Amino acid sequence: SQQGEEDPQALSIQEGENATMNCSYKTSINNLQWYRQNSGRGLVHLILIRSNEREKHSGRLRVTLDTSKKSSSLLITASRAADTASYFCAINNDYKLSFGAGTTVTVRA
Amino acid sequence: DVKVTQSSRYLVKRTGEKVFLECVQDMDHENMFWYRQDPGLGLRLIYFSYDVKMKEKGDIPEGYSVSREKKERFSLILESASTNQTSMYLCASRTFGIYGYTFGSGTRLTVV
Repeated sequence: SQQGEEDPQALSIQEGENATMNCSYKTSINNLQWYRQNSGRGLVHLILIRSNEREKHSGRLRVTLDTSKKSSSLLITASRAADTASYFCAINNDYKLSFGAGTTVTVRA
Repeated sequence: DVKVTQSSRYLVKRTGEKVFLECVQDMDHENMFWYRQDPGLGLRLIYFSYDVKMKEKGDIPEGYSVSREKKERFSLILESASTNQTSMYLCASRTFGIYGYTFGSGTRLTVV
């Protein structure tokens, strides 16, 4: 399956700083989605970017997509303790989602 | 809000037992999915269903089966549980035209 691969695996930042994580994939896509998972719970859908879009914003989240490089990035601005979670990118090109292993973000107070 | 409910939060079963994991969604979603999540491997798709009574194999269907007799319920069955099926199991649903998935809270299954 066409999994996304997140980088870095883990990230530790101070409250108020920005957090950036990247996702690379190998095949063509219809869209790419980002999800958040709080410790041991289900995933929550954050944002979707279609293959013909380059950038999308939602609140403190900014997602970019570069289909020529087959990569995406998720930026969380002005991080808060509540942003501590694992973040997953998911590739969608045939109605199914393929997930990577995720980036674990820790926001220190 | 759409709700996807998984019947058990934690489950401990013995090797060789037949295990049923239940998932119910309350928003008339057509598509339902079962994933397992293991450290370092991310989420891997086991089975999915486009609509009631339909099922398709995902990436790792071996040792599992599914049932979808009603639109709102999608059951994952471990025919004969083994220790390598110890994992977090996540159910998700989605409706046509909406690409984002709604996930349940997960069932952490331990097979001893």
